Amino acid sequence: QVQLQESGPGLVKPSETLSLTCTVSGDSISTSYWSWIRRPPGKGLEWIGYIYYTGSTNYNPSLKSRVTISVDTSKNQFSLKLRSVTAADTAVYYCARGGAYMDVWGKGITVTVSS
Amino acid sequence: EIVLTQSPGTLSLSPGERATLSCRASQTVSSRYLVWYQQKPGQAPRLLIYGASSRATGIPDRFSGSGSGTDFTLTIIRLEPEDFAVYYCQQYGSLPYTFGQGTKLEIK
Repeated sequence: QVQLQESGPGLVKPSETLSLTCTVSGDSISTSYWSWIRRPPGKGLEWIGYIYYTGSTNYNPSLKSRVTISVDTSKNQFSLKLRSVTAADTAVYYCARGGAYMDVWGKGITVTVSS
Repeated sequence: EIVLTQSPGTLSLSPGERATLSCRASQTVSSRYLVWYQQKPGQAPRLLIYGASSRATGIPDRFSGSGSGTDFTLTIIRLEPEDFAVYYCQQYGSLPYTFGQGTKLEIK
């Protein structure tokens, strides 16, 4: 059974960098694409971007200047970094398997941007 | 980018009834590259339908998807109590991939 688990700080200060990690179990990260999605409070889902295990990435243009997604095949993990955060980046962040559409999701982690 | 508009925002029905959820795109979704997800409070989204009409693994046949171009529909026949949730559509035909704002299916 494939499971994904997000981890990282639940509170980030404005202008700092949000850093999250997704640990994959039950599947090798070297077999698929892996994505990050978020849901701001009271809003719908927003695609952030995806990475292939080779390191190839694709990002949402609205976030591209601030986002980096990376992969660590030795740990079966992939990560998200979002720089220069503001209150608008407050959201539930999900990691998921898949690049175009996502067939397995983590439960999500709430990240609040506040001083 | 393609904007997806879901309607209605909230749908109130009783168990046993039929639900029809709409997802309309601002531009043609190429090759019917549209999926539907179900999300319950505190849970991860669950893939229901991909390619507009193909059921994902383990999804009951009371769920069906249809449509092409700019208009897509998710139909749930004979609603079960566990079907009451929020449903999202997502297109993956054009970057950036985008989601609808969701339809909440609630018990009447």
